[in-house]
Amino acid sequence: QVQLQESGPGLVKPSGTLSLTCAVSGGSISSGNWWSWVRQSPGKGLEWIGEVYHSGSTSYNPSLKSRVTISVDKSKNQFSLNLRSVTAADTAVYYCGRVGTGWVAPWGQGTLVTVSS
Amino acid sequence: QSVLTQPPSVSAAPGQKVTISCSGSSSNIWSSYVSWYQQLPGTAPKLLIYENNKRPSGIPDRFSGSKSGTSATLGITGLQTGDEADYYCAAWDDSLSARVFGGGTKLTVL
Repeated sequence: QVQLQESGPGLVKPSGTLSLTCAVSGGSISSGNWWSWVRQSPGKGLEWIGEVYHSGSTSYNPSLKSRVTISVDKSKNQFSLNLRSVTAADTAVYYCGRVGTGWVAPWGQGTLVTVSS
Repeated sequence: QSVLTQPPSVSAAPGQKVTISCSGSSSNIWSSYVSWYQQLPGTAPKLLIYENNKRPSGIPDRFSGSKSGTSATLGITGLQTGDEADYYCAAWDDSLSARVFGGGTKLTVL
């Protein structure tokens, strides 16, 4: 079955760029699904960041759109998140997931990214 | 404030039934599929219900989903202590062109 695994730095400096990768195993990123990033600030709810299709088409949360880029690397069967100009408010656990008809599953285990100097 | 509104918390005794509501609008719940997620403490969310009322393989039939108009409901019967978790609803919002989540509901099994 499809499994997803996030990776990337756990600490990013303010004003820097948060970069994460989600490796997809057990299935192809070109399977026809969209692929999503969702984050969860400490003690808070889930916030959708955006999604990417294997063609490179993207959809972003309007509140983050000016700072976000999500891309796909079919050769490595993975997709990535770049979030620019980060502040402490971007400290969160970041999850990647596969998107179906209105659902997200499975989810990666999540990775905590702290924005601090 | 979340686009989808859920009660912050619900509670019930073991063996009992509980429902969790999710209120939205014509641009999200009314016009798109609703999904529900269970997040156990310290873990990633897990899909419980998709396309309003379908259960993925492996999800017991104690969990059910329904939708009516601009609201959706998650039902859990035969409550177990292992059901203590945060539950989230989600839908696509056509006006925002965004996937939106409810604020989450913490279930306590007393």
